[in-house]
Amino acid sequence: AQSVTQLDSHVSVSEGTPVLLRCNYSSSYSPSLFWYVQHPNKGLQLLLKYTSAATLVKGINGFEAEFKKSETSFHLTKPSAHMSDAAEYFCVVSDQGTYKYIFGTGTRLKVLA
Amino acid sequence: GAVVSQHPSWVICKSGTSVKIECRSLDFQATTMFWYRQFPKKSLMLMATSNEGSKATYEQGVEKDKFLINHASLTLSTLTVTSAHPEDSSFYICSARSDLDSYEQYFGPGTRLTVT
Repeated sequence: AQSVTQLDSHVSVSEGTPVLLRCNYSSSYSPSLFWYVQHPNKGLQLLLKYTSAATLVKGINGFEAEFKKSETSFHLTKPSAHMSDAAEYFCVVSDQGTYKYIFGTGTRLKVLA
Repeated sequence: GAVVSQHPSWVICKSGTSVKIECRSLDFQATTMFWYRQFPKKSLMLMATSNEGSKATYEQGVEKDKFLINHASLTLSTLTVTSAHPEDSSFYICSARSDLDSYEQYFGPGTRLTVT
């Protein structure tokens, strides 16, 4: 069965410094992986997705993620954090059989001025 | 493209009453819709999967008689919380996908339900 583990429940960075949000997945097949962002009391916004094409995926707002099969990781990065990046981030894997989404527990990103 | 709306965005109801939440795909036909529940500061929990014209499939532990789901058309699914109680207060999010296109889900903006 597929699963994702978000290794940090909270991450704090200073504005202008790099962001790293970690996600490890478990899958018997080549997975479809997603990163979503959720601002307070808002719905989910897709940042980027990996669907077995290029391993380095570029998303919106300067975010990118690299699929590393050897490490079973799909970490989300951004070179320079903005205050507006403060939000909850979810790593998601799509179940191979049912295509249901399996959510990680989320990482709350705090950006310090 | 691929816009999903929810109505209402927030609702307050009294304990014991029922409340209906609508999920609409605005610019595509959604063969499958999903309903999630999110507790404060928690991740999303899948409640049920609905396919147009058939009964919804509920996840383990979700009361199908309390959370009635109807997917009557390719653009509309509804979630009715029956005999609501304060513990049903939560953020409910729907998503939709077209199995004819890809299996990517498109999420609605969510509905905040408060039961008093």
